[in-house]
Amino acid sequence: NAGVTQTPKFRVLKTGQSMTLLCAQDMNHEYMYWYRQDPGMGLRLIHYSVGEGTTAKGEVPDGYNVSRLKKQNFLLGLESAAPSQTSVYFCASSLSVEGTGGYEQFFGPGTRLTVL
Amino acid sequence: DQQVKQNSPSLSVQEGRISILNCDYTNSMFDYFLWYKKYPAEGPTFLISISSIKDKNEDGRFTVFLNKSAKHLSLHIVPSQPGDSAVYFCAGEGAGNMLTFGGGTRLMVKP
Repeated sequence: NAGVTQTPKFRVLKTGQSMTLLCAQDMNHEYMYWYRQDPGMGLRLIHYSVGEGTTAKGEVPDGYNVSRLKKQNFLLGLESAAPSQTSVYFCASSLSVEGTGGYEQFFGPGTRLTVL
Repeated sequence: DQQVKQNSPSLSVQEGRISILNCDYTNSMFDYFLWYKKYPAEGPTFLISISSIKDKNEDGRFTVFLNKSAKHLSLHIVPSQPGDSAVYFCAGEGAGNMLTFGGGTRLMVKP
């Protein structure tokens, strides 16, 4: 049981390049999330998905796109990378039951992205 | 406008003593509050949560207190151990189970 995995662990891009970050979970969770972590700012939600084929914007969605074609995978894309997107990116998943809360989110180990 | 704030970026405590980490929030619509712990080069891991209708939740050495009138919560760790040294994030859970995180507090427990 691997939990939440992220690929790649590290990446360096030049401004204007594109890339896709892959997140996979084997816990059969409905909800998946992409966050970015910047110093002193905690984790900020980029996009999330409440089920296969659905996506929605979070707090800081600009410059990113996502897709959830399979329940276990959640992809984060950067079409034209900018230095402001230098950050550590975390994927998470959670079990969610309608009308309840407090369920923990399980996080992957992170992807450290540098945009030059 | 930060809805969840952790005003102390760092805290140093002696092993065996109590660690108290604080968190303030402005959004009255949060249904739950959660604490996560993060070690370097790892993802955050869930520690403890509390419903907005409770004022205390305890799990072993960890206790979270919620003061709704002050919009303040705190995490108490007793006794503190060197392995507790990490960055701690508090988060408020709102509609759709979305989490809003504070900026984190780095806890250092000295042997």
